Amino acid sequence: NAGVTQTPKFRILKIGQSMTLQCTQDMNHNYMYWYRQDPGMGLKLIYYSVGAGITDKGEVPNGYNVSRSTTEDFPLRLELAAPSQTSVYFCAGGTDYEQYFGPGTRLTVT
Amino acid sequence: AQSVSQHNHHVILSEAASLELGCNYSYGGTVNLFWYVQYPGQHLQLLLKYFSGDPLVKGIKGFEAEFIKSKFSFNLRKPSVQWSDTAEYFCAVILLTDSWGKLQFGAGTQVVVTP
Repeated sequence: NAGVTQTPKFRILKIGQSMTLQCTQDMNHNYMYWYRQDPGMGLKLIYYSVGAGITDKGEVPNGYNVSRSTTEDFPLRLELAAPSQTSVYFCAGGTDYEQYFGPGTRLTVT
Repeated sequence: AQSVSQHNHHVILSEAASLELGCNYSYGGTVNLFWYVQYPGQHLQLLLKYFSGDPLVKGIKGFEAEFIKSKFSFNLRKPSVQWSDTAEYFCAVILLTDSWGKLQFGAGTQVVVTP
């Protein structure tokens, strides 16, 4: 099992561009999560999903969108990239009491 | 507001020294507690977790943590650190009365171990 995989590993975007961060899990977990990590701030929850077709906002959802059409995939969409979205993004899959993290995507918006 | 606090943002110590990282949370209900480690350039890895039972839990790489319910604390310890323990350490809490598993993280502690 690969666990949780994320693509791409790195990306540089210009202001106003859009992109999708991919996340896939092969653990058949119902719960999936997107976090962003900024220096000195820990991880902040962007969006989460408790199953296919069900998503909801976390702590910092503005500027992002998600979808969950299958149990395995949970892509994160940035529609109009802004410098404030420069961060490292982690996807996680798991249960309601434990989570497993992917390797992260380092995004820079200039 | 509910929160997770890590006492130190940066810790520098020499190899073979003992390490203790503090973590306090402000939730009043039943919690699951975690310590994650993030080595330079890598993703978060689970060091150890506490769900119930013996409040002294042992994790990977010689780490242990003690849950003290009366103090709302879950401090991480290692008796003798190595250079390879240089990393950022995150305490995290899930409040079980939430309808879903919202993992609340502390801000992290950057640990640097010098040779």
